[in-house]
Amino acid sequence: EAGVAQSPRYKIIEKRQSVAFWCNPISGHATLYWYQQILGQGPKLLIQFQNNGVVDDSQLPKDRFSAERLKGVDSTLKIQPAKLEDSAVYLCASSIGTGGYEQYFGPGTRLTVT
Amino acid sequence: KQEVTQIPAALSVPEGENLVLNCSFTDSAIYNLQWFRQDPGKGLTSLLLIQSSQREQTSGRLNASLDKSSGRSTLYIAASQPGDSATYLCAVSFYNNNDMRFGAGTRLTVKP
Repeated sequence: EAGVAQSPRYKIIEKRQSVAFWCNPISGHATLYWYQQILGQGPKLLIQFQNNGVVDDSQLPKDRFSAERLKGVDSTLKIQPAKLEDSAVYLCASSIGTGGYEQYFGPGTRLTVT
Repeated sequence: KQEVTQIPAALSVPEGENLVLNCSFTDSAIYNLQWFRQDPGKGLTSLLLIQSSQREQTSGRLNASLDKSSGRSTLYIAASQPGDSATYLCAVSFYNNNDMRFGAGTRLTVKP
């Protein structure tokens, strides 16, 4: 069974530029999560999708971050414009459903904003 | 507020030693608790998942325990090896919450 796929693996941009990350969850997983992990900290949830609907985006900085999950499969997370403090690893995870099902994580995208 | 705390933040041990990593959480109403391993620059690798009805889970040299009433979990690593060097993260799925809450991790170094 293929795992969660993410691309790119690394990205370096200058502040005020835009960037997009892509995630392909495990086949059949209805729930998809985007986490932000700043160096030295645990991951923090940015947004959660159930199929193509948003379940929770309370910690997403909506003035600069956006995410979509068209057709309920792949998802894209965008940052525009980027700030220095956005430098982090962005992790995508998926699970069969909500309510405590095990989450499976992708390899992450390491973003450096200079 | 539902929080997860891990102590210690860093741990260095000689090869062969048995060790315990600690995780505490503030609310006993949980679905499950999961231990992850993270190597530098990498994603998360799931080690053990303990459902709220379980007391412990074992995989090879790893044993994780769960005490909901006291809000604690431990990850026991037997006969540590240099290859065990990594950051270990504890994550809890709380009721009435959509996501897992993570601790900040324990950075483990096993010296040859």
